[in-house]
Amino acid sequence: DQQVKQNSPSLSVQEGRISILNCDYTNSMFDYFLWYKKYPAEGPTFLISISSIKDKNEDGRFTVFLNKSAKHLSLHIVPSQPGDSAVYFCAASAITGNQFYFGTGTSLTVIP
Amino acid sequence: SQTIHQWPATLVQPVGSPLSLECTVEGTSNPNLYWYRQAAGRGLQLLFYSVGIGQISSEVPQNLSASRPQDRQFILSSKKLLLSDSGFYLCAWRRRRLIYGYTFGSGTRLTVV
Repeated sequence: DQQVKQNSPSLSVQEGRISILNCDYTNSMFDYFLWYKKYPAEGPTFLISISSIKDKNEDGRFTVFLNKSAKHLSLHIVPSQPGDSAVYFCAASAITGNQFYFGTGTSLTVIP
Repeated sequence: SQTIHQWPATLVQPVGSPLSLECTVEGTSNPNLYWYRQAAGRGLQLLFYSVGIGQISSEVPQNLSASRPQDRQFILSSKKLLLSDSGFYLCAWRRRRLIYGYTFGSGTRLTVV
């Protein structure tokens, strides 16, 4: 049973515009969330995180929003750059857990 | 600083052959260690994790096994590979505190032919 879902397998955005990647989860015990970026044939790299005590976290061009009541989080990239083209995974865990649960990923293409 | 090494980077193996993928972590002690697989067109699936030497938890029953013979060494094995074992295998480690998330290795592309 997929506890973390990314319903959009792919997304295309023009350079300079905003990219919005979405993620939904089902387990109300999840209270820590991560976004990872992955290039082909490489391991994922950590991008940004948020805990359930916050509803927003910013790091440069990247902002993650958390809506606990809707069990939904989103990653905003502004402005989008061609180098942002990659697969993005969201992940969630309970603070007491031993593992993160990953979504299936969204492939972002930023068109120059 | 902490580093994670995973090898080999690519591997082509015939059906029925054995498998051994190795992962080591440097610069930290007593890490949580993980093996993930990314199959074609799919997300990251947790295969095994370990919280200490000799302690292995299996998430998905399958043709693979894992071992942790030393604190910073994690090995993924199979006695007989199946075609369905093809995929991109990732080793990861995590500090005890959850907020640091995972650090992943560079991955191994396994093709079973």
